[in-house]
Amino acid sequence: DIQMTQSPSILSASVGERVIITCRASQSINNWLAWYQQKPGRAPKLLIYAASGLQIGVPSRFSGSGSGTEFTLTISSLQPDDFATYYCQQYGSYSSFGQGTKLEIK
Amino acid sequence: QLQLQESGPELVKPSETLSLTCTVSGGSISSSTSYWGWIRQPPGKGLEWIGIIYYSGTTFYNPSLKSRLTMSVDTSKNHFSLKLNSVTAADTAVYYCAKAWNYGEGWYFDYWGQGTLVTVSS
Repeated sequence: DIQMTQSPSILSASVGERVIITCRASQSINNWLAWYQQKPGRAPKLLIYAASGLQIGVPSRFSGSGSGTEFTLTISSLQPDDFATYYCQQYGSYSSFGQGTKLEIK
Repeated sequence: QLQLQESGPELVKPSETLSLTCTVSGGSISSSTSYWGWIRQPPGKGLEWIGIIYYSGTTFYNPSLKSRLTMSVDTSKNHFSLKLNSVTAADTAVYYCAKAWNYGEGWYFDYWGQGTLVTVSS
């Protein structure tokens, strides 16, 4: 099984700030990584696929990078709607998710 | 716009079988790129991938659930289903169905159902 580890688990930030969430895979997954945003009581929403591909309709302030075992999700300028929990997911071998990063208002 | 909707009992007794169906609308379950998946989320916890089914009926299961899991597809009804037997309280979760894309040797999910909470309790 491929284990996914996100950091930090909780991130406090202010509107307008640039934030970075990191995801590490226990073995190489090339660029087979997706990022999701989830708000309370809602289904996850796909933001990024193939490590850096922006899903249609997702604002350009979201970007992803990385390959192999280290990946990042960057939000260039936080908006009020961005406070949520973010999950990474590997699909290099079946599928598994990170434990989540809760982005809170500072 | 593709839409998915989960349905099934909200309460299941321990040791019994959890059964859910996902009905797809706005698109065909039988397109050649169509993989379909289940994901669950225990209350207050993270996401767990359950399994994938292709429209032809080929399945791929999470090894941790494989011994208890059966997935099926009914193309005439444009829906797919999940059965998880011998459930315990640890299977209490919101269950999501989703459309999956196959790249690498796995799948990611672009369209999701709203989710349904299934509680395992006597």
